Amino acid sequence: QQQVKQSPQSLIVQKGGISIINCAYENTAFDYFPWYQQFPGKGPALLIAIRPDVSEKKEGRFTISFNKSAKQFSLHIMDSQPGDSATYFCAASRGNTGKLIFGQGTTLQVKP
Amino acid sequence: DSGVTQTPKHLITATGQRVTLRCSPRSGDLSVYWYQQSLDQGLQFLIQYYNGEERAKGNILERFSAQQFPDLHSELNLSSLELGDSALYFCASSDNDIQYFGAGTRLSVL
Repeated sequence: QQQVKQSPQSLIVQKGGISIINCAYENTAFDYFPWYQQFPGKGPALLIAIRPDVSEKKEGRFTISFNKSAKQFSLHIMDSQPGDSATYFCAASRGNTGKLIFGQGTTLQVKP
Repeated sequence: DSGVTQTPKHLITATGQRVTLRCSPRSGDLSVYWYQQSLDQGLQFLIQYYNGEERAKGNILERFSAQQFPDLHSELNLSSLELGDSALYFCASSDNDIQYFGAGTRLSVL
């Protein structure tokens, strides 16, 4: 049973545009929601993370929006750059177990 | 560089064989996690160790086992390998919520 659903599977954005990736979760016990960025041949790297006590978190050009009642969260990349081209994964975990449940990933291509 | 070291980077073996993947966590991190990444299943949690003890288990096959040693490095043992075990295997370590991933071991079972 997939507990974190991610969309879209792939995304093409023009340089300077806004990239939006969405995730939905099922388990209301999840209390930590990170986004990871993965480049080809590399391991995933933490980009930004949020806990459900806030509705938004911004770090530079990256923003997480969180809707607890809808059990959804999204990643917004403002002023997207070709260097942002990568695969993005949302994830969720519960308590202190640290076990991350990942979405299926979104391949982002930013065209110059 | 995440500080997590995985060896080997690539491994090619045959069906029915056994392999060992090694992970050295970041200095001071007590938790080690193993994940499998494949095209059809995505990133799947396998198992977590904390300071030498098994902490959490995912959908890890019985043919797979792991351990964490007193120096905190971890090994993932995969036995009776099948074609479907071909995947990227990642190790991650953490000292809090943030998990730092290694570059992975690409396993090809022929």
